[in-house]
Amino acid sequence: AQSVTQLDSQVPVFEEAPVELRCNYSSSVSVYLFWYVQYPNQGLQLLLKYLSGSTLVKGINGFEAEFNKSQTSFHLRKPSVHISDTAEYFCAVQIQGAQKLVFGQGTRLTINP
Amino acid sequence: GAGVSQTPSNKVTEKGKYVELRCDPISGHTALYWYRQSLGQGPEFLIYFQGTGAADDSGLPNDRFFAVRPEGSVSTLKIQRTERGDSAVYLCASSPGGETQYFGPGTRLLVL
Repeated sequence: AQSVTQLDSQVPVFEEAPVELRCNYSSSVSVYLFWYVQYPNQGLQLLLKYLSGSTLVKGINGFEAEFNKSQTSFHLRKPSVHISDTAEYFCAVQIQGAQKLVFGQGTRLTINP
Repeated sequence: GAGVSQTPSNKVTEKGKYVELRCDPISGHTALYWYRQSLGQGPEFLIYFQGTGAADDSGLPNDRFFAVRPEGSVSTLKIQRTERGDSAVYLCASSPGGETQYFGPGTRLLVL
């Protein structure tokens, strides 16, 4: 079975500071990797995904993530955050060829002015 | 274009009652998914439809939960004899058949 661990339940940062949200996964087979963002009272929105190829993936709103197969990690980064980035962020995996997503428990990113 | 829509946005019911939650996927999307998100948790998979058929219902917690997609578009999640533990946000997603799933805003279910 697959599992996803988001190591930080909450991350507070100051505006314009860099941020890294950590995600580790466990799987015995190859997976696709995703980051979703959930703004207050809204549905999940895809930030970025890793399917194959370059391990550095760029997404929307200035976010990027790096797939590290040896460490089974897919950490999300942004060099300079804005107040509008305040949200819950979810890492998810999908077995290649399967359909369901397995999500982590989420990381709440809070931006302080 | 229009995204995934879900109705109602909020549903309050009493323990033991029956509820139906509706999902309208993005037009043309053949795959449809239901997830459940409890407070403070990530979404958990319930069921996946490819067309009209349930291709994977391994996430349904028990036989009180059932979902249909009779014409391969709109789907309804049905919960019988609701329990307080069923309180959660129920999310629907659709996909054109690739890896990316597009989520709706969810239905917040509260069982009193």
